[in-house]
Amino acid sequence: GAGVSQSPSNKVTEKGKDVELRCDPISGHTALYWYRQSLGQGLEFLIYFQGNSAPDKSGLPSDRFSAERTGGSVSTLTIQRTQQEDSAVYLCASSLAPTTPHYEQYFGPGTRLTVT
Amino acid sequence: QKEVEQNSGPLSVPEGAIASLNCTYSDRGSQSFFWYRQYSGKSPELIMFIYSNGDKEDGRFTAQLNKASQYVSLLIRDSQPSDSATYLCAVKPRDYNTDKLIFGTGTRLQVFP
Repeated sequence: GAGVSQSPSNKVTEKGKDVELRCDPISGHTALYWYRQSLGQGLEFLIYFQGNSAPDKSGLPSDRFSAERTGGSVSTLTIQRTQQEDSAVYLCASSLAPTTPHYEQYFGPGTRLTVT
Repeated sequence: QKEVEQNSGPLSVPEGAIASLNCTYSDRGSQSFFWYRQYSGKSPELIMFIYSNGDKEDGRFTAQLNKASQYVSLLIRDSQPSDSATYLCAVKPRDYNTDKLIFGTGTRLQVFP
């Protein structure tokens, strides 16, 4: 079946502009995660959605970052007033059973954001 | 101290050898442990998970977990050039209010013919 999809695949924006990144999780997956990966670095957790529960926003680096998930499916990550340090690959993942001790997060192809 | 630590490498091994990748974590209450493989320019893909002390084998891959030492490792037997990638260790922390994973920075593995 279809995997996690993200759009756009690449985004170049000027410093100070706002950007929106979209994630479409695997159908039926109730949990959705956003991570970012800077060049040569591991994945940094940003935000987690599970069903109708309040999201875990503990990883958002500043109030310029926000995310929403509409209808329990598609999610949008918004970065306002982008800065050069926001340049990274933004990865979305979804999973089916987050309440079990072990589970698999399936990752999308990512959006490469470049802030000039 | 980082929450999840890995040697960045590169770890270079000859084809056919055993590659040993190591990871330590700081949260003693961590529940589950994962190894992801990431090819250059691609997104991570899950190789193995483990949540009980001991060894877990899946084909050429063996994950080892020692909770007392807060240590998890991945062994790749009969390494192939196609195994060349960055291997990310990820840990699910004890916090029951979230299912986020904490990732290490990854170890780059190079398997040469």
